[in-house]
Amino acid sequence: EVQLVESGGGLIQPGGSLRLSCEVSGFTFSSYEMNWVRQAPGKGLEWLSCISSSGSTVNHADSVKGRFTISRDNTKNSLFLQMSSLRAEDTAVYYCARGSQWLAFDNWGQGTLVTVSS
Amino acid sequence: QSALTQPRSVSGSPGQSVTISCTGTSSDVGGYNYVSWYQQHPGKAPKLMIFDVSKRPSGVPDRFSGSKSGNTASLTISGLQAEDEADYYCCPYAGSNTWVFGGGTKLTVL
Repeated sequence: EVQLVESGGGLIQPGGSLRLSCEVSGFTFSSYEMNWVRQAPGKGLEWLSCISSSGSTVNHADSVKGRFTISRDNTKNSLFLQMSSLRAEDTAVYYCARGSQWLAFDNWGQGTLVTVSS
Repeated sequence: QSALTQPRSVSGSPGQSVTISCTGTSSDVGGYNYVSWYQQHPGKAPKLMIFDVSKRPSGVPDRFSGSKSGNTASLTISGLQAEDEADYYCCPYAGSNTWVFGGGTKLTVL
C-alpha cells in the first residue's frame, strides 16, 4: 500500500524557518517525481514545488521561489521542504504528493499544518 | 501562475448530472492534454479522479468523466450520489514542470 506521511509542521513566528518532511512507503521512491501542495485555511489548493526522481531538477511556484527549497533523500525514502522567511500567508496545510507519468498527482499524504503567527 | 476559473459552487439532486468547468489559458488548459481533477472531502486529502483530460484511475466510478475544448476543461458527474458531495479542483500542467490549480468548486447534492 502506498503511504505518504508528512511531519514537521507547527507554530512558527513570522520570519522564521521550518523544514517539512514526507516519509513514503509502498513504492519505489527513487522512481517518482514528488511535489508539495498547500492549502490555506478555507482556501483552495496551491501547487508549490516539484523535484525529479533523482533530485537533479527542481521547480518552485513564483509565490515561494527564493524562500522554499524542495529536496529528497532517496536512501531514506524521504522528501523535504525547507521553508524560510515565513509569512502569515504561508499558514496552510502542506501536502506531499506523488507525481505520476500522466503529469498528475496520484497519491497524497494526510498533510501537516503550518501556522505562521506571532 | 494565476489560478484558473471554476464556479464557486454547483448543485444537483441524486441521480442527476452536473458539470464543473475550468477555464484557463493557452499556456495551461489549452496548451497540453494534461488536465487532472481532484475530489476533496472536508478534512481529507485530495483524491485523483481524472487525468490526461478524460482518463479515470483504477477504482474511480465511470460516473466521472472529463473533457476539454480550447482553454476550458470540464468534469461531469452523472448519476449523482450523496457521497459525491465534496470540493473539486482542476489542475492542468502549465509547462516547464509547473502546475496550477483551479480555485475549486463546492458540489452540493440536494
